[in-house]
Amino acid sequence: DTAVSQTPKYLVTQMGNDKSIKCEQNLGHDTMYWYKQDSKKFLKIMFSYNNKELIINETVPNRFSPKSPDKAHLNLHINSLELGDSAVYFCASSQFTGVGQPQHFGDGTRLSIL
Amino acid sequence: AQSVTQLDSQVPVFEEAPVELRCNYSSSVSVYLFWYVQYPNQGLQLLLKYLSGSTLVKGINGFEAEFNKSQTSFHLRKPSVHISDTAEYFCAVRGYQKVTFGTGTKLQVIP
Repeated sequence: DTAVSQTPKYLVTQMGNDKSIKCEQNLGHDTMYWYKQDSKKFLKIMFSYNNKELIINETVPNRFSPKSPDKAHLNLHINSLELGDSAVYFCASSQFTGVGQPQHFGDGTRLSIL
Repeated sequence: AQSVTQLDSQVPVFEEAPVELRCNYSSSVSVYLFWYVQYPNQGLQLLLKYLSGSTLVKGINGFEAEFNKSQTSFHLRKPSVHISDTAEYFCAVRGYQKVTFGTGTKLQVIP
């Protein structure tokens, strides 16, 4: 049973297109995150949701819109894709209560913009 | 504000040799510290964490880390590395809402 699953694993598309990445966790966690990892492996938080409510939005272009239909799902929609959006996007989850709780990561979605 | 500095971007080490991966942090509040490992084409996995108590923390795969408050460090060590330890290692600090990751250290184990 995969704890945090993301689909698709690979996404190759052209500049200007709109795409979505889905994320689901079956750990019963109340907080979910999206991270962007660039080609140098630098990992940057994009968004965080706690019980479907946005709690972190880290100066991400508004072409990126997260949506959380319930606390087990956090999807990421990207409009008008640009070359600089090429990266690996990771979904993660954790329990919010108790800051010592670690995050559990999905395997990533590798987005390539042509 | 919080930050994490991983001083080495790459660490080559021979198989069965010891290794230390360095991490320094800064934070204005109490911190919770983590080490994660990322194998190729995978997400991050928790190696170990420091919340409170004993400053020496043991994790999975024979790794351990020592929290040093005076030096604001949380270095990761393993006494004898294996080829399978080749991966990217991330140090992280968690404050109230946010986790900040270091830039990662690539551990390359040489046979």
